[in-house]
Amino acid sequence: GAVVSQHPSRVICKSGTSVKIECRSLDFQATTMFWYRQFPKKSLMLMATSNEGSKATYEQGVEKDKFLINHASLTLSTLTVTSAHPEDSSFYICSARPPSGSSYGYTFGSGTRLTVV
Amino acid sequence: GNSVTQMEGPVTLSEEAFLTINCTYTATGYPSLFWYVQYPGEGLQLLLKATKADDKGSNKGFEATYRKETTSFHLEKGSVQVSDSAVYFCALIPNRDDKIIFGKGTRLHILP
Repeated sequence: GAVVSQHPSRVICKSGTSVKIECRSLDFQATTMFWYRQFPKKSLMLMATSNEGSKATYEQGVEKDKFLINHASLTLSTLTVTSAHPEDSSFYICSARPPSGSSYGYTFGSGTRLTVV
Repeated sequence: GNSVTQMEGPVTLSEEAFLTINCTYTATGYPSLFWYVQYPGEGLQLLLKATKADDKGSNKGFEATYRKETTSFHLEKGSVQVSDSAVYFCALIPNRDDKIIFGKGTRLHILP
């Protein structure tokens, strides 16, 4: 089956610093990956769609300059939270679209708990 | 447009009780339907799926049947365990290359 690895699982950073989160597809090539944010006891909020070799597509209300997404290869997408503030503290989850014709659904990373102090 | 509606919960049951979590959808065409489970502090795991009408997805004792006539994909389990405590998300993909659309999630608590 398809496996997506997300790192780090937890990170604590100081306000004003930047944090990078990685999302890797381990046994398949993912031309499209997605980044979600989840608030406590809430559903998933799609932040952006990451397309290999092109610019990410951001959902309405998501700041492009704060949440930088890079999808430089078919197996890696990164989300960088720039100049982080306490309100950016959240659970971030990535997902990869399965290869065309595959039988499995979207595969998710294990999430990253970001705490900005 | 495309959407998923599921009971919000929380749902609290005793161990070995019967579980139903309702899910209905709105979509054009023939979407694929999914149930994902999220255990505390983790990402989402695919629990089961169905890609066409009358298909039944099943896994770990959970089942859901794709009912096109009622646009539903209710999740059921005959006898729940404490370890089933988690958040369950119903989801659909309208067409193969579309984005996945989630319901709001249902938190399930199983008491020993």
